[in-house]
Amino acid sequence: DTEVTQTPKHLVMGMTNKKSLKCEQHMGHRAMYWYKQKAKKPPELMFVYSYEKLSINESVPSRFSPECPNSSLLNLHLHALQPEDSALYLCASSHPARGLNYGYTFGSGTRLTVV
Amino acid sequence: AQKITQTQPGMFVQEKEAVTLDCTYDTSDPSYGLFWYKQPSSGEMIFLIYQGSYDQQNATEGRYSLNFQKARKSANLVISASQLGDSAMYFCAVGGTASKLTFGTGTRLQVTL
Repeated sequence: DTEVTQTPKHLVMGMTNKKSLKCEQHMGHRAMYWYKQKAKKPPELMFVYSYEKLSINESVPSRFSPECPNSSLLNLHLHALQPEDSALYLCASSHPARGLNYGYTFGSGTRLTVV
Repeated sequence: AQKITQTQPGMFVQEKEAVTLDCTYDTSDPSYGLFWYKQPSSGEMIFLIYQGSYDQQNATEGRYSLNFQKARKSANLVISASQLGDSAMYFCAVGGTASKLTFGTGTRLQVTL
C-alpha cells in the first residue's frame, strides 16, 4: 500500500459547525503533515507530526486542531471556521529516518468550503 | 528560512517537444533536497523527481530530468517528449533538516497538439 488516503474528498460546512478531516497511511511512515492550499497558490505547511508527537505548528489559528491518535492516522478537527478558510487541505507522510530522498507522499486532498 | 522562486507562471509546449521549467532557491540549511511535484486539476500532488544538495550527478526519472546548478542555486525541471497528460501545475520545493517542504508559486504547463 503506497497511498495516503484522505476523507472526505469534499466538505461544505457552516461557520458554527464542527467537522473533522481524516488522513490514513499504511506505509510505515512516522512523519505526517497537514498543508493548506488556497486556489492558485502553493501549499502552505500547517502542522508536522513526528513519531506521533506534534513537532511543528506554523502559527495556525486554534480553530484548527490536529490529532495523531496512532502512527497511521492523522486528523484535523475544525471548529468555528471562517469563509477564508475555504481551501484544499492536503495530508502528506514521509519516513524521517530514511532521509529526504524518499520524498513525501501526498493524499488527493479535501476540498473544504465554509459557508 | 527557505525561499523558492518560479518565474514562469504559465508555459506552453507542443506535444513531443521538450520543455524546461525554471526554479531558483535560497536556503540556510547546509544539507537540503530539491523536489518537483505535479498537481493536476484533481488536486493530488504527484512526486516527480528529487535532487540532494550533495549529489554530484543530475537526477533523472524517465522523461524527467533535473538540471541542478548548485552555485547558481538553480534546479530546473526538464520534461522531454511532452504528452497531453503532462498539462498540470508544477511546483518546485525545497526540504531541509526540519523535514518540511517549502513550495514555489508554481508553473502551469499546457501541452498543445
